[in-house]
Amino acid sequence: QLQLQESGPGLVKPSETLSLTCSVSGASVISHPYRWAWIRQPPGGGLEWIGTIFSSGTTYYNPSLMSRGAMSFDTSKNQVSLNLISVTAADTAIYFCARRNAVTTNAIAHWYFDVWGRGTLVSVSS
Amino acid sequence: DIQMTQSPSSLSASVGDRVTVTCRASRDIRAYLAWFQQKPGRAPKPLIYAASSLRIGVPSRFSGSGSGTDFTLTISSLQPEDSATYYCQQYVDYPLTFGGGTKVEIK
Repeated sequence: QLQLQESGPGLVKPSETLSLTCSVSGASVISHPYRWAWIRQPPGGGLEWIGTIFSSGTTYYNPSLMSRGAMSFDTSKNQVSLNLISVTAADTAIYFCARRNAVTTNAIAHWYFDVWGRGTLVSVSS
Repeated sequence: DIQMTQSPSSLSASVGDRVTVTCRASRDIRAYLAWFQQKPGRAPKPLIYAASSLRIGVPSRFSGSGSGTDFTLTISSLQPEDSATYYCQQYVDYPLTFGGGTKVEIK
């Protein structure tokens, strides 16, 4: 059974870099055709997609991040990483990792977030 | 970006009531829409994909409908365990975007 577990520093100072990892068990992070994503949720707020990395390493990011985000794999640890540079208080949120998997319906592939981690809270404060 | 607008932002209903949540996309997303349920302190749980396909294990009282720009999540007979916030999400194009959420409370 696929399980995702996020880990991170909990507290980051403004202007520093936030580094998070998502440890995956039950599947290889480079298994085709899975895609992996980071999604965040400010306290009391809604959900915001941060970015997606394909098993090939291709990445897509939310333009709202202003090019501050970078996702990568650590295949030796079967992890997906997120680095977010130059953080501010606005980056305070619960960060979730999730898998995008395709289900074919009427010959159309539907890539939706089918498995989520429990999330990790990151606060940005001096 | 495709904007996803949910209404209402919150509602209160009694056990056994039929509850409807709507989601409108700012442009045609065909049926590339998912619905999630989130309870406090938990990760979102996928309920529906492809606008109307119920994920295995999700109770049949949940249903989804719509295509194009207007979508609906219906709970046919509200149960106490359905108290949660519900989100729609489009996945036709990047950036992937979510609706603002609808908080469903039990009277």
